[in-house]
Amino acid sequence: DIVMTQTPLSSPVTLGQPASISCRSSQSLVHSDGNTYLSWLQQRPGQPPRLLIYKISNRFSGVPDRFSGSGAGTDFTLKISRVEAEDVGVYYCMQATQFPLTFGGGTKVEIK
Amino acid sequence: EVQLLESGGGLVQPGGSLRLSCVASGLTFRSYAMSWVRQAPGKGLEWVSAISGSGDNTYYADSVKGRFSISRDNTQNTLYLQMNSLRAEDTAVYYCAKYDRYYYYAMDVWGQGTTVTVSS
Repeated sequence: DIVMTQTPLSSPVTLGQPASISCRSSQSLVHSDGNTYLSWLQQRPGQPPRLLIYKISNRFSGVPDRFSGSGAGTDFTLKISRVEAEDVGVYYCMQATQFPLTFGGGTKVEIK
Repeated sequence: EVQLLESGGGLVQPGGSLRLSCVASGLTFRSYAMSWVRQAPGKGLEWVSAISGSGDNTYYADSVKGRFSISRDNTQNTLYLQMNSLRAEDTAVYYCAKYDRYYYYAMDVWGQGTTVTVSS
């Protein structure tokens, strides 16, 4: 199984400042079709998860452009350029390159 | 607008069974793979199972293989999760999610979840 490791566990951020979350996979997420199926999800308190980014760097419909994803192979990053109050929650990376699908352990973004 | 509505959660004794349902609307249900993801209290997300649009292909996490069974009724736009031999560690909120394997290769729509508690 592919193990997804996220750091940090928690990220206290000042409003308006950037935040960065790292996700590392135990093996390459490049699929045999050449694509890399790494996505990022946001879970606000008391809410179900919500898709933010798919295939490393593509913002899902309605996602603000302050969210961006990057990376390749086994190392990926989610960045929030300027954190807003509504960004508080837990962020998860997920790989869909192979079954079983696996999630990172989550990173909690909170306001300092 | 695509919507997913789960039901069927509740309190069950260890060793018992439960069947979860997820009714989908606003999409051509048979065209999409679907998935179940769970979240134990205070914990992260854990993928449980997935099924292809036709229902011909099913996939399971090792933690539930042999105990849980995923299925779908495309005439009723409904996804199911039959859970047998339940254990305390199966206690979680269970989410139904649309698993887009055409373009996003991600879970792009989620339900609100249904809570399963396994306890005597």
